[in-house]
Amino acid sequence: DQQVKQNSPSLSVQEGRISILNCDYTNSMFDYFLWYKKYPAEGPTFLISISSIKDKNEDGRFTVFLNKSAKHLSLHIVPSQPGDSAVYFCAASATSGGANSKLTFGKGITLSVRP
Amino acid sequence: DGGITQSPKYLFRKEGQNVTLSCEQNLNHDAMYWYRQDPGQGLRLIYYSQIVNDFQKGDIAEGYSVSREKKESFPLTVTSAQKNPTAFYLCASSVNTNTGELFFGEGSRLTVL
Repeated sequence: DQQVKQNSPSLSVQEGRISILNCDYTNSMFDYFLWYKKYPAEGPTFLISISSIKDKNEDGRFTVFLNKSAKHLSLHIVPSQPGDSAVYFCAASATSGGANSKLTFGKGITLSVRP
Repeated sequence: DGGITQSPKYLFRKEGQNVTLSCEQNLNHDAMYWYRQDPGQGLRLIYYSQIVNDFQKGDIAEGYSVSREKKESFPLTVTSAQKNPTAFYLCASSVNTNTGELFFGEGSRLTVL
């Protein structure tokens, strides 16, 4: 049973527009959420995170929104650039589970930014 | 430069052979992990280790084995018992914190012929 779901496998947006990547989770114990970006044949790199005590975290062009009641988070990229084209993984952990609580990953969304 | 080094980047093996993937980190992280990525499957946890000489099974440990004799090293052996070994394997590490942020290596692509 998937605890972290990224239901849309792909997204295509025009350069300069906003990209919105969605993620849903089912485990109410999750209290820390991360987004990773991955290029083909490379390891994922950390992008941005949010704790459940917040509902928004912003870092430059990237903003993550958390809606705990809906168990939903989204990553907004604005403006989108061709270099943002990659696979984006949503991940979650239950930090109350102790140190190094394991991350659970979604299946990823492939973002394509058209020039 | 601090980071995680996986080797080899590409590996071909015949069916029935064991193969060992190397993972070394110089980040002084206590915890290390092995993930497997398949198309459309995301990242699935194979094994993880929170400290030297200790490791735990992840969600898909069958057919794999690991060791953690040194803090810097966490090799993964894909045994002949693994039914679908062809995949992209990712090693990661993290500091012993509650944040869960992982640092990943570049990955190793294993193809079994």
